[in-house]
Amino acid sequence: SAVISQKPSRDICQRGTSLTIQCQVDSQVTMMFWYRQQPGQSLTLIATANQGSEATYESGFVIDKFPISRPNLTFSTLTVSNMSPEDSSIYLCSVETVGETQYFGPGTRLLVL
Amino acid sequence: GENVEQHPSTLSVQEGDSAVIKCTYSDSASNYFPWYKQELGKRPQLIIDIRSNVGEKKDQRIAVTLNKTAKHFSLHITETQPEDSAVYFCAASKGTNAGKSTFGDGTTLTVKP
Repeated sequence: SAVISQKPSRDICQRGTSLTIQCQVDSQVTMMFWYRQQPGQSLTLIATANQGSEATYESGFVIDKFPISRPNLTFSTLTVSNMSPEDSSIYLCSVETVGETQYFGPGTRLLVL
Repeated sequence: GENVEQHPSTLSVQEGDSAVIKCTYSDSASNYFPWYKQELGKRPQLIIDIRSNVGEKKDQRIAVTLNKTAKHFSLHITETQPEDSAVYFCAASKGTNAGKSTFGDGTTLTVKP
């Protein structure tokens, strides 16, 4: 298994500002991902965080809005840029372990006013 | 891309009864099908998964079946208990990227004591 932590756990932000979310894993993992879960809804994959190269974004998500960093095999950040109330959501990082099992972080609850 | 449909959206059962949740997927290349349980305010947690080379898998009171021809898979919970109450998500992915999953919309299971 993998122990994943995220910071911050929650935040309230003003529209037009940006927030950077951190994800830390207790072991080296090849694959890290960022998901969004809007209130009462399912999980949607934002992007795959690639170590040493640019993230791979899913349809509907762009780098300018959700820049991602992956400086090493245990850490990644997701920035939500120029926020609007529609960005209010839970943002979860996840990792895929050697056994091809996915584990999720505790999530960051974001409210944009 | 992949599309995963999940039914029912809500399910209420009496304690001790069985619960069945069904999912269909569209991409015949998908070969990994996990099920996650998400309790209120918590992260999704993997409860069982199945790969396309297996038709059925069981873990105590939980079982998953897969019909590749029909492209559907189901979660079966027997002898339900109040602590089984949660939102359950099915997902599908292909290749070795278990973390790059498409999720169903979720089923809210309520087990009445």
